[in-house]
Parts: sequence; structure tokens; C-alpha cells
Amino acid sequence: SAVISQKPSRDICQRGTSLTIQCQVDSQVTMMFWYRQQPGQSLTLIATANQGSEATYESGFVIDKFPISRPNLTFSTLTVSNMSPEDSSIYLCSVRKGPGAGNTIYFGEGSWLTVV
Amino acid sequence: GDSVTQMEGPVTLSEEAFLTINCTYTATGYPSLFWYVQYPGEGLQLLLKATKADDKGSNKGFEATYRKETTSFHLEKGSVQVSDSAVYFCALIENSGGYQKVTFGTGTKLQVIP
Repeated sequence: SAVISQKPSRDICQRGTSLTIQCQVDSQVTMMFWYRQQPGQSLTLIATANQGSEATYESGFVIDKFPISRPNLTFSTLTVSNMSPEDSSIYLCSVRKGPGAGNTIYFGEGSWLTVV
Repeated sequence: GDSVTQMEGPVTLSEEAFLTINCTYTATGYPSLFWYVQYPGEGLQLLLKATKADDKGSNKGFEATYRKETTSFHLEKGSVQVSDSAVYFCALIENSGGYQKVTFGTGTKLQVIP
């Protein structure tokens, strides 16, 4: 299993500001994933963060808006830049552990952001 | 591409009723299947999983069987409690082209009333 801690758990942010979310895992993992869950919706993958290389972004997400750091094998940050009310979402950090198709996805508790 | 289809909610049941939340999938290979639960104000927690055909995942009274012939992974519980009120997500992981692809369903909200 994996224990994932996220900070902050909740925040209310002013329009135009930026916020950095931290994700700490209790064991070393190769890849960490950042998801967004808009109100009442399912999860959308933002990007995959690999240690020692640039993050890989999904269609519709760009580095300027969602810069990611991955300084070591247990930690990552996601910044939501120049926020607007449309960025109000839950942001979830995730890892996968296990061999091959037996991998299991584990999530942090989520960071609930409200942009006003 | 891969997809996961869940029954739409909200599903409203009385306490001690039988629960079924349908989940069907499309995939090109042999995915692993998962159910996640999201309680109000919290993140996603793994509820159960199955990694191959005919496997049954179970946890906290919930069960789901990996049915390859019907490409389904329906979630069941014999007697729901108010504390089971949450959103339930069906998901799959498949190895595709040397990397893993994860697909989530849209979620089904369950409301259990006393």
C-alpha cells in the first residue's frame, strides 16, 4: 500500500494568485500523478511527474498553468497559477504500486481549492 | 480506446437494502479493475480490486466479480448502512504500448436513508 499526504487540504484563494500543493509519499515511487476533480465530476489526469525529468502533461493542460516539481522519489508539488474560479476543484496526488497489471492506484486526501 | 461506464446516480436506498452499482468496461487487453469510494469531503479510497477474470474483490461487505464475458465489474453489498453514503468510482488499469492507462468512470452517488 501507500500513504500519501497532501498540503493544503483546503484553501480559499483570490483570483489571479497562485497556489502550490505538496504531495508526500511514504515510500519511493517512480511516477507520481496529479488529477483534477471538478465539482460533481470524475477525475481528469493533469500530468505525470517523473523524478529527474520534465512532467508529461495531458491534452488541455500546460506547464505554464500547472508547473510541477519532482525533486526526489517521495515528493512532488503542483502549482495552480493565475487562478480563476474555473480552477475551483479538488486536486489529487496519486501513485501506483505493484507489478504490471496488478498495480493499484492510491490517492492522497485531496486539496480542495475554492477560487473567489 | 478504453472506457468505463457506470450507472447514473444518485442511487437512494433505505438502510439494510441490497445495493448494486453497475459498471461495464471496454478495453483492448486484460485490465485490472477497481472500485474506489469517496466519502463527503474526502479523497478517494481503494475499496476493492480484481486483477483477472473471475476474481472476486471484497472489502467492508462490498463485493465485485470480474466478468470478462460480460465485461462487467458490478459492485454489490447485501445490506447498506447510512455510513455507506458516498460516491463510488469504477476504474481500470491496462498496459498499453509499454505504459499503463488508467480510466475512471463518472462516479455513482449513493445516498442511504435511515
